[in-house]
Amino acid sequence: DSGVTQTPKHLITATGQRVTLRCSPRSGDLSVYWYQQSLDQGLQFLIQYYNGEERAKGNILERFSAQQFPDLHSELNLSSLELGDSALYFCASSVGLAGGGTDTQYFGPGTRLTVL
Amino acid sequence: DAKTTQPNSMESNEEEPVHLPCNHSTISGTDYIHWYRQLPSQGPEYVIHGLTSNVNNRMASLAIAEDRKSSTLILHRATLRDAAVYYCILRRGAYNNNDMRFGAGTRLTVKP
Repeated sequence: DSGVTQTPKHLITATGQRVTLRCSPRSGDLSVYWYQQSLDQGLQFLIQYYNGEERAKGNILERFSAQQFPDLHSELNLSSLELGDSALYFCASSVGLAGGGTDTQYFGPGTRLTVL
Repeated sequence: DAKTTQPNSMESNEEEPVHLPCNHSTISGTDYIHWYRQLPSQGPEYVIHGLTSNVNNRMASLAIAEDRKSSTLILHRATLRDAAVYYCILRRGAYNNNDMRFGAGTRLTVKP
């Protein structure tokens, strides 16, 4: 158990819909990261928040957005869903102060999104 | 970001050592070498990291070449639970640079 929680575990929805994925970081961690894992693209970094502010952006679509709240939990919003958005979505957290060299990320169990 | 090259797959026998190679010929002086693994149906988990010297922890050892252009993750006695995809990732040791870019990794199969 990494200490990172994600809800829901599974989500099935239809094309065109909007969903929200939730992540609670480990106690004391200020950084939250979102990743997408699909069969053809592998693990892709989407976005990072540090203490409520966006810190880094990866391959995140304009239809997707995220935020980190004052209690440090984060939500990933996916809108106008397409079949190709079906994937595993992982959240990770880290202390976030040390920089990439020594900052360990702890991953949650993921949310499996199926778009029909 | 500097890239890494890993074999797509490897096999090992249970209770034998496993050496997982990673090439990173364009590594820069401030890049740390990180290894994560992803067990089936789970999120990735941290294994080990290093900069220049070899590193040991309870999970594995990391051997880094003198020129740092390659490294090897060593599992001293593979168990069935070690069957996973292993990712070698370079991360720049700079403030404000925390995201990780995963490659395809090496899928390790452990045979009983």
